[in-house]
Amino acid sequence: DGGITQSPKYLFRKEGQNVTLSCEQNLNHDAMYWYRQDPGQGLRLIYYSQIVNDFQKGDIAEGYSVSREKKESFPLTVTSAQKNPTAFYLCASRVGQGAPETQYFGPGTRLLVL
Amino acid sequence: RKEVEQDPGPFNVPEGATVAFNCTYSNSASQSFFWYRQDCRKEPKLLMSVYSSGNEDGRFTAQLNRASQYISLLIRDSKLSDSATYLCVVSANDYKLSFGAGTTVTVRA
Repeated sequence: DGGITQSPKYLFRKEGQNVTLSCEQNLNHDAMYWYRQDPGQGLRLIYYSQIVNDFQKGDIAEGYSVSREKKESFPLTVTSAQKNPTAFYLCASRVGQGAPETQYFGPGTRLLVL
Repeated sequence: RKEVEQDPGPFNVPEGATVAFNCTYSNSASQSFFWYRQDCRKEPKLLMSVYSSGNEDGRFTAQLNRASQYISLLIRDSKLSDSATYLCVVSANDYKLSFGAGTTVTVRA
């Protein structure tokens, strides 16, 4: 089955700790995205990558970092600089530039601060 | 002003009823429009794209009004399984989607 997987489903972070959220896709999509969802708010873009070895900041990149070493993988690190990390994190992918903008989402990771 | 605004609801309707709701967008350069459905604690899933001439997909009808910058979704013959949050999504360029906070619909037996 083709799709997007995210792990873990739940993640707990201690103060001052960096944590990494995994996102893998086997859809052969060029573009990948990370969003954050908070209650009562729309999804907000953290980072996106339109091609391997390239990524761009979204609207709320402070306190986060990413890498795109492989087409299939786009991990997100929540650093200790992110002061309010508790949220639902969603990874998405899309075919690529020039293709329909439809994005497909993984099942998400819920990050909680201890 | 938010890029995409939606009435959060909830819209509580009986089975078989028709429910409709809108969203407004601020960027007049927006080119692509979508409705996504999100079930509680799950990821959003594409419900349908919205085309300029309006389009239907079974019981769902989407309309676009570019002059007034709003999109609508109408659900006919509501089913219990239609209970969800519906996200209005707008794209103004080739890489970024802007999401509304969602409209919650609850269909009761």
